[in-house]
Amino acid sequence: DAKTTQPTSMDCAEGRAANLPCNHSTISGNEYVYWYRQIHSQGPQYIIHGLKNNETNEMASLIITEDRKSSTLILPHATLRDTAVYYCIVPPSGGYQKVTFGIGTKLQVIP
Amino acid sequence: KAGVTQTPRYLIKTRGQQVTLSCSPISGHRSVSWYQQTPGQGLQFLFEYFSETQRNKGNFPGRFSGRQFSNSRSEMNVSTLELGDSALYLCASSLSQSYNEQFFGPGTRLTVL
Repeated sequence: DAKTTQPTSMDCAEGRAANLPCNHSTISGNEYVYWYRQIHSQGPQYIIHGLKNNETNEMASLIITEDRKSSTLILPHATLRDTAVYYCIVPPSGGYQKVTFGIGTKLQVIP
Repeated sequence: KAGVTQTPRYLIKTRGQQVTLSCSPISGHRSVSWYQQTPGQGLQFLFEYFSETQRNKGNFPGRFSGRQFSNSRSEMNVSTLELGDSALYLCASSLSQSYNEQFFGPGTRLTVL
């Protein structure tokens, strides 16, 4: 499965956009990029996923580069409640999945 | 629709004992995956079950096992507990065996003394 690389931690001012990068240079053509977040002491929560086009939902936007080797999760107006660990994952396509979440990015939203 | 439930939420065991954790997926979901989360290792995949069959397994010793019942509920068992097994064990369900959005439960916090 495609390995992902994320910064260990990031800070963002409350009300500003939080841009969380993820590198997945070994991604295959039919593999999706998924983003989850985990707020302290809770189970991870699905945020968004995409294949090649940019995606947006009520929580966030996902920008995937044209070569699909990296992506950016955008929280347009970060709030204190967005403080969490954010995971970028690329599950292997087809068959059954051995999903690797890794360490993720600890986002701290600062008042 | 009820979310994923896990029981018990907290558990304290001693080395050498065995433990069974339970997971009830969202109604209609047929795939259940288990993860171990520790501060140093992050979220590590344990195994995935679909239609009562283990479909994939992570790199964990044979002391870690699981099963899935016909109603999609799943259990995982850890035998001969070690101190290093102390972790948050998370269960996630999804609609089918192909990767879908996964819905996670709150986890079971296992402490091994």
